Amino acid sequence: GAVVSQHPSWVICKSGTSVKIECRSLDFQATTMFWYRQFPKQSLMLMATSNEGSKATYEQGVEKDKFLINHASLTLSTLTVTSAHPEDSSFYICSARENRARDTQYFGPGTRLTVL
Amino acid sequence: QKEVEQNSGPLSVPEGAIASLNCTYSDRVSQSFFWYRQYSGKSPELIMSIYSNGDKEDGRFTAQLNKASQYVSLLIRDSQPSDSATYLCAVNNAGKSTFGDGTTLTVKP
Repeated sequence: GAVVSQHPSWVICKSGTSVKIECRSLDFQATTMFWYRQFPKQSLMLMATSNEGSKATYEQGVEKDKFLINHASLTLSTLTVTSAHPEDSSFYICSARENRARDTQYFGPGTRLTVL
Repeated sequence: QKEVEQNSGPLSVPEGAIASLNCTYSDRVSQSFFWYRQYSGKSPELIMSIYSNGDKEDGRFTAQLNKASQYVSLLIRDSQPSDSATYLCAVNNAGKSTFGDGTTLTVKP
C-alpha cells in the first residue's frame, strides 16, 4: 500500500515556541492531505484539509492563525503549531488521499507533541 | 445523528472466536467504505476497503456492505490477541472520508 511519512515522530518544546510537522506521501502524489488531532482515548478529530497550491480548509473551531498549514507540493504538507501551549499537547496525525485508489486515505505514523 | 455510527464497545471475544464490528452511515450516495485498525498510541492503518454490495474477503477479514440498509460490517475470524485494537469505519463521498468514533475490540487469550 501507499506510504505516508511524518516528521518528527515526537517533539517536546517550551510554551510559546512554534513547532513544524511535515507530512510526506512517499510513493504517490497527493493533491489533498488531512490533519487530525487525537487526545488520549478519544476519537480522531479532523483539524483541516490541505490542498496543494491553495489555502487549507479548517474545521469549525480550529484557529487557522494558530495552526498554519502549507501544502507546497504534491508530496508535502506541513503543519506549524504557533505559540504552542500545554493544551496543544496531543497526537497529530496526517493522512494523504490517493486519488487513483478510490480516494483511499493513508495515514502517517503521527507526531506526539508535548508542550511544557 | 452522526454521519457514521459505530458501537463504541468495548467488544470482548475469546481467542479463536469471530469478532463482528458494525457501522451505519447516513449519506445514501456514499461510494467507498474503509476499515482501519488503530492500536493504542499508534495511527490508523488501512485493513479493508469495499465499494460494492456483498462480501469481500482478505485473509481472516471479511467486509460486508449493504447500501440499501446503509450498513457496513467487518468480521474477523479466528480472532487473535494481536487483533485487540480500535477499529474505525470510514465512509467516503466525493473524495471526503468521514470517520466513525471507533469500536474497541479486546480478544482474550
